[in-house]
Amino acid sequence: DAEITQSPRHKITETGRQVTLACHQTWNHNNMFWYRQDLGHGLRLIHYSYGVQDTNKGEVSDGYSVSRSNTEDLPLTLESAASSQTSVYFCASSGGYRNNEQFFGPGTRLTVL
Amino acid sequence: GQQVMQIPQYQHVQEGEDFTTYCNSSTTLSNIQWYKQRPGGHPVFLIQLVKSGEVKKQKRLTFQFGEAKKNSSLHITATQTTDVGTYFCAPYGSGNTGKLIFGQGTTLQVKP
Repeated sequence: DAEITQSPRHKITETGRQVTLACHQTWNHNNMFWYRQDLGHGLRLIHYSYGVQDTNKGEVSDGYSVSRSNTEDLPLTLESAASSQTSVYFCASSGGYRNNEQFFGPGTRLTVL
Repeated sequence: GQQVMQIPQYQHVQEGEDFTTYCNSSTTLSNIQWYKQRPGGHPVFLIQLVKSGEVKKQKRLTFQFGEAKKNSSLHITATQTTDVGTYFCAPYGSGNTGKLIFGQGTTLQVKP
């Protein structure tokens, strides 16, 4: 069965370190998204991609970057982790405009000390 | 940018009572999706509404899209403990490009 996975599921890091969160989907979806979820803020879009070599900034992109070298993966990098980036991160994918239901991964809980 | 307001933020009900959450926008929406997130879980797609005045039902859940396509609601009849979770509305962002703008969600607690 097709799925979307995230790794690691839990991560503790220190301020200033670079961290990469992995997202892998086997739906063959063109669209992929990264969100962060914090209490009182719902889901906020960090970055998104509509296909290989395409990346776009979301509403809270500062301090984060993504790259899309293939259809299946959209890794999220925190260049220099800050305590404000402690959050739960969700990756999602969708098939496109007509099939735009988003399928979410299980999430990564990141703690920055 | 485009935003939606969801009310209430929290709702506690007795099992068997009805529950409604509302999603309001100041701009006309092309469509809207609803998601449910169980405690400790990830958001799961429930439904998409596209047409003005559209009403869709899924068992005890009724979804409505307003005539002016500026608001939407989710109504649960006779809540059960399995309905516990946070319900998000998520309309398309501008340009109909598949990007969703999530509301802040309504968290439902059901007392058995």
